[in-house]
Amino acid sequence: NAGVTQTPKFQVLKTGQSMTLQCAQDMNHEYMSWYRQDPGMGLRLIHYSVGAGITDQGEVPNGYNVSRSTTEDFPLRLLSAAPSQTSVYFCASSYKRDSGNTIYFGEGSWLTVV
Amino acid sequence: AQSVAQPEDQVNVAEGNPLTVKCTYSVSGNPYLFWYVQYPNRGLQFLLKYITGDNLVKGSYGFEAEFNKSQTSFHLKKPSALVSDSALYFCAGFMIKAAGNKLTFGGGTRVLVKP
Repeated sequence: NAGVTQTPKFQVLKTGQSMTLQCAQDMNHEYMSWYRQDPGMGLRLIHYSVGAGITDQGEVPNGYNVSRSTTEDFPLRLLSAAPSQTSVYFCASSYKRDSGNTIYFGEGSWLTVV
Repeated sequence: AQSVAQPEDQVNVAEGNPLTVKCTYSVSGNPYLFWYVQYPNRGLQFLLKYITGDNLVKGSYGFEAEFNKSQTSFHLKKPSALVSDSALYFCAGFMIKAAGNKLTFGGGTRVLVKP
């Protein structure tokens, strides 16, 4: 049981480049989500998914796309990276049953856009 | 709109002294509240949560938190702080039955425990 696994850990991109942050969980969690962490702002929700084939926007979705083709995987795509997307990204997952379920986080992906 | 606030950017405490990290919330209805800890270059680790029941919740690493509905607070406490408790602490919460498990996070409080 590896929990929530994110790759890559560190990435430097040039403005305009695209990339995908990978996220996988092996806990059979239905809920998965992506957050970004910026100093003094806590974590802000980018996109989330309540199950395979279902995604929705969070608080700061612009510039990011997601898909959920399987229960296990929830990749985050940056189509045309901008310096404002320099941040730390966290993938998270939890059971669907109710909102009181503990959310488990990956180890984070540090992204710098130059 | 629901919100979670951590009024202190940083808390300094001497090792062995009590540690308190403050959190207040604003949600309609009854909240689910969480505390997470983040060590340098690591992900967030779950400490404890309040769902219902006793207002005093005990969690990992000797931490506890007290839910106070009248003051809309959920302060994190530890009776005797350790140097290894130095980290970034996040309070988070969401309203019961909100779709998508959308946690709202506070801005974080950095704890520095000095030997």
